[in-house]
Amino acid sequence: DTGVSQNPRHKITKRGQNVTFRCDPISEHNRLYWYRQTLGQGPEFLTYFQNEAQLEKSRLLSDRFSAERPKGSFSTLEIQRTEQGDSAMYLCASSFNRPDYGYTFGSGTRLTVV
Amino acid sequence: AQSVTQLGSHVSVSEGALVLLRCNYSSSVPPYLFWYVQYPNQGLQLLLKYTTGATLVKGINGFEAEFKKSETSFHLTKPSAHMSDAAEYFCAVYNNAGNMLTFGGGTRLMVKP
Repeated sequence: DTGVSQNPRHKITKRGQNVTFRCDPISEHNRLYWYRQTLGQGPEFLTYFQNEAQLEKSRLLSDRFSAERPKGSFSTLEIQRTEQGDSAMYLCASSFNRPDYGYTFGSGTRLTVV
Repeated sequence: AQSVTQLGSHVSVSEGALVLLRCNYSSSVPPYLFWYVQYPNQGLQLLLKYTTGATLVKGINGFEAEFKKSETSFHLTKPSAHMSDAAEYFCAVYNNAGNMLTFGGGTRLMVKP
């Protein structure tokens, strides 16, 4: 069990550029979650997958955001035409399909849009 | 939908003093409740959870929390604070409507020597 891995750890990009983040979950977990966390705030839900199916998306997830989980393994989160308001920590977590289990989080990707 | 409120965005205690971080939840069904800790520039780590059964749950690093249904609370405590406890703490509830965890705004714990 190597935990949840996120890459890159840090990303600085210019406004208007596209960025993509990757998350490798714990292999036995069938659920994968993306959250966004801004400074001084709690994590906000963005979307989640059960295996390869994207089952829920938050209203926070604008049309510029897209997430995939091909083959139910790793996941990518892409932000197109980045804006300064997208600057945040993007957290990935994985879990079993059990509400009592809790999540295992990765270390996050910190995005700075300049 | 379920939600949580953490009272006090910042809590400061002296080393060796009692730690008390407050969390109140809103839920129309029996809740699953969690406490997570986050150190700077890291992800969240599970401290403890309440699902069913015993209302006093013990977690890692000497922390514990008590589920009180009558008060809709799940406060986190530790008898004696260590410098290494300085971090951000998040309370969360499982949201049945969306099948995800909903987090509170967090409480930053500062420990003075």
